[in-house]
Amino acid sequence: DIVMTQSPDSLAVSLGERATINCKSSQSISYSSNNKDYLAWYQQKPGQPPKLLIYWASTRASGVPDRFSGSGSGTDFTLTISSLQAEDVAVYYCQQYYSTLSATFGQGTKVEIK
Amino acid sequence: QVQLQESGPGLVKPSETLSLTCTVSGGSTSSYYWNWIRQPAGKGLEWIGRIYTDGRTTYNPSLKSRVTMSVDTSKNQFSLKVTSVTAADTAIYYCARDHPEGAGWEDWGQGTLVTVSS
Repeated sequence: DIVMTQSPDSLAVSLGERATINCKSSQSISYSSNNKDYLAWYQQKPGQPPKLLIYWASTRASGVPDRFSGSGSGTDFTLTISSLQAEDVAVYYCQQYYSTLSATFGQGTKVEIK
Repeated sequence: QVQLQESGPGLVKPSETLSLTCTVSGGSTSSYYWNWIRQPAGKGLEWIGRIYTDGRTTYNPSLKSRVTMSVDTSKNQFSLKVTSVTAADTAIYYCARDHPEGAGWEDWGQGTLVTVSS
């Protein structure tokens, strides 16, 4: 299995400030043939299913505010919330879909308001 | 937009079989991969497996020996069976549809809690 490790496990950020979450994969999840990174980010609020925010490491899903951005390549990836809003309080997960045998998630990062 | 709804027993006895169905509305089960994911209370997400419209399946190796998925395109439903359940199988079970580019899962059901207990 490809192991996904997120850091930090939790962070508290003031409203309007930047939040940064890191995700590291145990092996490269980039395909050189199409130059794509098989990495997605999800947001999960209490009592709700996860919501797809970012795919291909940096493409925002439909309807996702542009304060959310994804970056990185190979084994190291970042989700940035440029200006934290109250409604962004949630747990965020990265996921690799490079392996067709088993998609795996990071352990999650809890984002709170400071 | 497509909607997904999980259904099935909320309580299963140890050693028995967990059976869930995901009903798709507002769209067809054709030409997509359909997934099952689970989440124990307060914990992270675990992918169980996926099934394509034509019945091809891929299962998480850690669960492969106990999992079976099927699809009924005439009913716009796909199903999950997990045999020989234990308390460790207690979780919220979600069904989800692949993003059209195969990049993550864009559409999710609300999830259904399954508790394994005697």
